[in-house]
Amino acid sequence: SQQGEEDPQALSIQEGENATMNCSYKTSINNLQWYRQNSGRGLVHLILIRSNEREKHSGRLRVTLDTSKKSSSLLITASRAADTASYFCATDRWTSGTYKYIFGTGTRLKVLA
Amino acid sequence: NAGVTQTPKFRVLKTGQSMTLLCAQDMNHEYMYWYRQDPGMGLRLIHYSVGEGTTAKGEVPDGYNVSRLKKQNFLLGLESAAPSQTSVYFCASSPARGQYFGPGTRLTVL
Repeated sequence: SQQGEEDPQALSIQEGENATMNCSYKTSINNLQWYRQNSGRGLVHLILIRSNEREKHSGRLRVTLDTSKKSSSLLITASRAADTASYFCATDRWTSGTYKYIFGTGTRLKVLA
Repeated sequence: NAGVTQTPKFRVLKTGQSMTLLCAQDMNHEYMYWYRQDPGMGLRLIHYSVGEGTTAKGEVPDGYNVSRLKKQNFLLGLESAAPSQTSVYFCASSPARGQYFGPGTRLTVL
């Protein structure tokens, strides 16, 4: 399985509900980041959390990081139809002089109006 | 600022043909990246550059070459296209943390 796997693969909720997506990874990291991708478009950077941080907020987004479990979660509160998109986590690290930046497979979120 | 732009947006090649994808950024970022995105998979890093004149291999570099002759441009080349290279290609640039992505190039190799 890949570094950076999101769970669930797909999620469908009603507008106003909260959406939680999880990401697991396999190796140590420097940072973990979450991106949003609307259908047919490029990725948009949402939030970065460093390996020594445990939680971070940005507007309606809340990201947690548990390095002992090698996992992160993205919570979107009070979801809106415009939040419908795919969400990816990505981990980065330098190891032996090589840069590794690895994306997960993504969670497809659908918010129903 | 235009941000990160990619040229072309769509392209269809025949097996064995060559082409170059252009990525340009006007944010004076040092780092630039090329990814490919295939159905059911996350983005995979092809090559990256940490500055003008430097390039390095990513996760899936085979079949691709890159050049960074100018800081604002990062070119991805396919010397002899194969059907396995059918994908959506994304370019990104970064000042250090977080990446700014282009809109993508949809490439089909027949």
